[in-house]
Parts: sequence; structure tokens; C-alpha cells
Amino acid sequence: DAMVIQNPRYQVTQFGKPVTLSCSQTLNHNVMYWYQQKSSQAPKLLFHYYDKDFNNEADTPDNFQSRRPNTSFCFLDIRSPGLGDAAMYLCATSSTGTASVQYFGAGTRLSVL
Amino acid sequence: GQSLEQPSEVTAVEGAIVQINCTYQTSGFYGLSWYQQHDGGAPTFLSYNALDGLEETGRFSSFLSRSDSYGYLLLQELQMKDSASYFCAVRDPNDYKLSFGAGTTVTVRA
Repeated sequence: DAMVIQNPRYQVTQFGKPVTLSCSQTLNHNVMYWYQQKSSQAPKLLFHYYDKDFNNEADTPDNFQSRRPNTSFCFLDIRSPGLGDAAMYLCATSSTGTASVQYFGAGTRLSVL
Repeated sequence: GQSLEQPSEVTAVEGAIVQINCTYQTSGFYGLSWYQQHDGGAPTFLSYNALDGLEETGRFSSFLSRSDSYGYLLLQELQMKDSASYFCAVRDPNDYKLSFGAGTTVTVRA
């Protein structure tokens, strides 16, 4: 039944050790988003794809990269996680016709030791 | 750019009515959305207003006044399960991005 699926739900990594978070969707939406959310804050957009067209936010650190090999899957790569990267990472999708409605996955909570 | 303001927290008792206001300053406007997020969970879409007026969905209603750059979310017959954070968001008309307000934490007491 889940429409936007994120794996894993919880990820623990070591300082500086690369980590990849994954997101898949069954909605066939052409827009996919990655957000970072820290405690008691609003989701912060890192980047989004319109189909394969990648759009990076100006303040997203270079440490964060993304890949979208096809419509259904999207990955977030953190090349050298720092302690400040510990957060909830949310994947979301929308269709272009109703982009004000975004469907979120359950999120991956990343801990950095 | 986009800037949204909403109260940081609201507390009310079960059965009460709560109104969460949202004012925005945007370079363009393509509608006001509301999202609910329970602690530890993901945001879920609640409602969307593209035009002025009131949209009702069960116990929740949302209102928009574009001339005042203002909207609100009305939660009626509050239940304990309504304890959550509520975010207003506006869409960039030139893109597919949402800008979120900082969120309002609603606490429902017995």
C-alpha cells in the first residue's frame, strides 16, 4: 500500500564514512524531492528532480549528492557525513499538475557517530 | 523568495477549536497548502487553497485570502490524535518546490 518507500528507516554511520539512502515510489510521479529535517524544524529542501532534470538548492553542501536512475528510484549520497548531518531525511514526490501536494515517505533517520 | 510566518505552538483541550494562522510574503504565489506531521513521522498533506475562501475536509478547514497574503487552518472537535506539528507551505509558481513555514506544534490536553 505504501506509495513512497524509504530504506532504511534508521541508518547509523561513522563520521566521514559515505552513506546512501534510497527512495522508491509507485505513484509514477515525475517530480522527486529530498529534504533534510532536524528536530523541531521545517523540512529543508536539498534538491529535486523533474524527470531526470536535477535541481540543486543553492545552500545544499557539496557533500550531498543525488541520483535518479529511473522514474521510480532516487538516491541520496552523503559523501563524508559530519556530526551536523545527523537528521531525518525525507523523500517526497509530486505530479507536475498538482505540485502543491507532495507525498512523503516515512523518512530515514541518520545518526553519525 | 518566500517567507511564511505561523505561531510556534498552540495548546488546547479535547473538543476545542484551534485556528493556526499563516501569513506569507512571496515573490509569486501558486496556492497555500497545509501539512500535518506527528512526532517521528512524515508530513502528510491536509489541504490546499488556490483561490480565496474556505475549504472543508471533515473536522479540518482551511481558508485563504490572497489580498491579505493570509490563510489559516481550523481544527475542530480536537482529539488527542491531533497533537502534531502543522506546516503551511506555498509553491513557487516557476518551479515545483514548496517553501514551508517553521511549523506550529499543537498540543491537545485531556
